[in-house]
Amino acid sequence: DAMVIQNPRYQVTQFGKPVTLSCSQTLNHNVMYWYQQKSSQAPKLLFHYYDKDFNNEADTPDNFQSRRPNTSFCFLDIRSPGLGDAAMYLCATSSRDRGLEQYFGPGTRLTVT
Amino acid sequence: GEDVEQSLFLSVREGDSSVINCTYTDSSSTYLYWYKQEPGAGLQLLTYIFSNMDMKQDQRLTVLLNKKDKHLSLRIADTQTGDSAIYFCAEINQAGTALIFGKGTTLSVSS
Repeated sequence: DAMVIQNPRYQVTQFGKPVTLSCSQTLNHNVMYWYQQKSSQAPKLLFHYYDKDFNNEADTPDNFQSRRPNTSFCFLDIRSPGLGDAAMYLCATSSRDRGLEQYFGPGTRLTVT
Repeated sequence: GEDVEQSLFLSVREGDSSVINCTYTDSSSTYLYWYKQEPGAGLQLLTYIFSNMDMKQDQRLTVLLNKKDKHLSLRIADTQTGDSAIYFCAEINQAGTALIFGKGTTLSVSS
């Protein structure tokens, strides 16, 4: 089945230690998104790639970076995680001709100790 | 600015109908969406409606759109315990590049 896969599902990192979360998709969608979701809050868009074009949200901290080496993979790098970065990180994909209908992965729960 | 508002909690008994309400601000949104999130999982697209429609029915789900009042609702008929989850309403942002989500409505279904 076509799907969005996130690894790992759970990640524990230390304060200030860089961490990378990964997302892959078999849907061949041209748009990939990274969202941050804190407890009892709406998912908050961090950035998205439209093909290779990177689009950062204005309020996304510089601490968060992303890479998309090919259509299938997208990475979220947190350079120096703080306690406030503990959250669920959701990857999503969409095809631009489908009205932003987004397909989400199961998420990675990040804990910062 | 763009904003999506939802009530935070809804509690119903199994077999009853559930109605989850949402208001949005951007009248130019072409699509409006409902997503479901079960505990510890990602968001699952339930249904969506085009802005030129008033109603869309999909099995137990009915979506009603009142563009004048910028009000969207999701009705779940014959609610089951498996419907217990958080339901998010979403609209497309003005740039047409991303979704704006509400904070989600937690639906609790008791047997």
